[in-house]
Amino acid sequence: AQSVTQLDSHVSVSEGTPVLLRCNYSSSYSPSLFWYVQHPNKGLQLLLKYTSAATLVKGINGFEAEFKKSETSFHLTKPSAHMSDAAEYFCVVSGSGNTGKLIFGQGTTLQVKP
Amino acid sequence: DTAVSQTPKYLVTQMGNDKSIKCEQNLGHDTMYWYKQDSKKFLKIMFSYNNKELIINETVPNRFSPKSPDKAHLNLHINSLELGDSAVYFCASSPRQGGGETQYFGPGTRLLVL
Repeated sequence: AQSVTQLDSHVSVSEGTPVLLRCNYSSSYSPSLFWYVQHPNKGLQLLLKYTSAATLVKGINGFEAEFKKSETSFHLTKPSAHMSDAAEYFCVVSGSGNTGKLIFGQGTTLQVKP
Repeated sequence: DTAVSQTPKYLVTQMGNDKSIKCEQNLGHDTMYWYKQDSKKFLKIMFSYNNKELIINETVPNRFSPKSPDKAHLNLHINSLELGDSAVYFCASSPRQGGGETQYFGPGTRLLVL
């Protein structure tokens, strides 16, 4: 069965420093992987997705993630954090079959300090 | 010009009542979804429809009944509301059914059952 684990429930960085949000996945086949962001009291917005093309995926707002099959990881990075990056981040894996089912990680809260 | 919209945004009601949440997308997508986000921010899929056909029906109490009158609308009716139904309910849509499809989320409906 497919599953996803976000290794940190809370990450705190200073503005201008790098961001690393860690995600490991488990899948019996080659999955699609996504990162979504949720700002307070808002819906979810897609940051980026991997669907078996280039392993280094660039997303919006300077975020990128690298698919590493050998490590079953899909960590999210950004070189320099901005105050507006403070939000909840979800790593997501596609479910089995072709139903469109998404399986969400538990979320990582990113705090950005001035 | 909102892509995925939900009404109402907030819903406060008493235990035992019946309520509905409406969702509309103007993206021309074929597939729509309902998700539940609990108080710990964990997101889980409830239902999906593709061209008005039920595709995903997770282990959800049969008090919850989705209805898709056309492919632009997916409504959620909840009978005999319970305290545990308190959550944020998100509607989403994707261009078509499939594991690699990007899902576009609505702003959410915050349901509080007293």
